[in-house]
Amino acid sequence: NAGVTQTPKFQVLKTGQSMTLQCAQDMNHEYMSWYRQDPGMGLRLIHYSVGAGITDQGEVPNGYNVSRSTTEDFPLRLLSAAPSQTSVYFCASSPAQVGFDGYTFGSGTRLTVV
Amino acid sequence: RKEVEQDPGPFNVPEGATVAFNCTYSNSASQSFFWYRQDCRKEPKLLMSVYSSGNEDGRFTAQLNRASQYISLLIRDSKLSDSATYLCVVFSGGYNKLIFGAGTRLAVHP
Repeated sequence: NAGVTQTPKFQVLKTGQSMTLQCAQDMNHEYMSWYRQDPGMGLRLIHYSVGAGITDQGEVPNGYNVSRSTTEDFPLRLLSAAPSQTSVYFCASSPAQVGFDGYTFGSGTRLTVV
Repeated sequence: RKEVEQDPGPFNVPEGATVAFNCTYSNSASQSFFWYRQDCRKEPKLLMSVYSSGNEDGRFTAQLNRASQYISLLIRDSKLSDSATYLCVVFSGGYNKLIFGAGTRLAVHP
């Protein structure tokens, strides 16, 4: 199994551009989430989904949109990129609603906004 | 105050040493606790869960102290391959309540 696949691995955007970070999992996990990781800070939750058609905001949702049309895919959209969104983005999935032992991360997307 | 706090390190130790990290959390209602390992420029991976009675996995031992609201990770007989950042993770219920510490960096040298 591929696990959690994120694309692209690296991206450079200009301020004001939009783009979509892709995340796909092949483990039939119900729960998926997006985090960003910045130096000196823990991973911060952007958005999450508990199943197809259901999404909700995390700690730092501003400037990002998500949708969950299928169990497998959970794309993250940057509406109008800003330098403050320069970060490493991780997608994660879990099979259960409680207990995060099965929390699997993608390999990350390194985004730079200039 | 951060919800989950860790000493950022780095902890520089020789091979074979024993090293311990602590992590404090502020929410007394926290339910579950974990240690994740993150290698440089890689994704976090679950190292071990932390149970109330403490638990051990090979050279790694995790302890939970609810009264003082901290968890610890002990690594015995350190290997070069243990060099990484160790993330303390606290779950306080609800999908938006998985809180990550900023991590403690460990560097094991020959």
